[in-house]
Amino acid sequence: NAGVTQTPKFQVLKTGQSMTLQCAQDMNHNSMYWYRQDPGMGLRLIYYSASEGTTDKGEVPNGYNVSRLNKREFSLRLESAAPSQTSVYFCASSDYSRALFYGYTFGSGTRLTVV
Amino acid sequence: TQLLEQSPQFLSIQEGENLTVYCNSSSVFSSLQWYRQEPGEGPVLLVTVVTGGEVKKLKRLTFQFGDARKDSSLHITAAQPGDTGLYLCAGEGRGSTLGRLYFGRGTQLTVWP
Repeated sequence: NAGVTQTPKFQVLKTGQSMTLQCAQDMNHNSMYWYRQDPGMGLRLIYYSASEGTTDKGEVPNGYNVSRLNKREFSLRLESAAPSQTSVYFCASSDYSRALFYGYTFGSGTRLTVV
Repeated sequence: TQLLEQSPQFLSIQEGENLTVYCNSSSVFSSLQWYRQEPGEGPVLLVTVVTGGEVKKLKRLTFQFGDARKDSSLHITAAQPGDTGLYLCAGEGRGSTLGRLYFGRGTQLTVWP
């Protein structure tokens, strides 16, 4: 099925470890996003990529880095994980270059626990 | 900065009741979208409203965009247990932020049989 695929679905890290969350979309969308979702806080934007080759910070970028590898793939890296990064991470994509904006398509999320 | 305020944050009702969820802002948006999220899944788009005063119906769900394009409401008639989920509103920016969405914190709806 067409959509956004995130891996892994679950991950437990020790404080200080690093890891990369992978995201790929097959809808030929220009824009991709990384959000974190915490109880009571809603969806907070970490980083986004408006088009291939560009990335920009969102609301909560500290402690994260991203790479837009190609048009399909957008990865999120935690260099030194901290307990405050325990969260559910969502990748999304959209195509805002069209005259009518169809919204975001989200992946099913990665549940990350940092102990 | 939280541009969109959703209320209520939690809603627990019996099957068959009606409910309204509100989404308010001091900012004007190009469009307003509503998403529904089920446990363990990402949000899924329900509807997009674009024109001030626009009303859209999706079966038992009615969505309205405020005349000034700053607020929106979601009304569910005769709620069913299958309506249970997290409802998120999201405003689309204007100008240089066209295509960017700004999300509210969500309304957790539970419908009991």
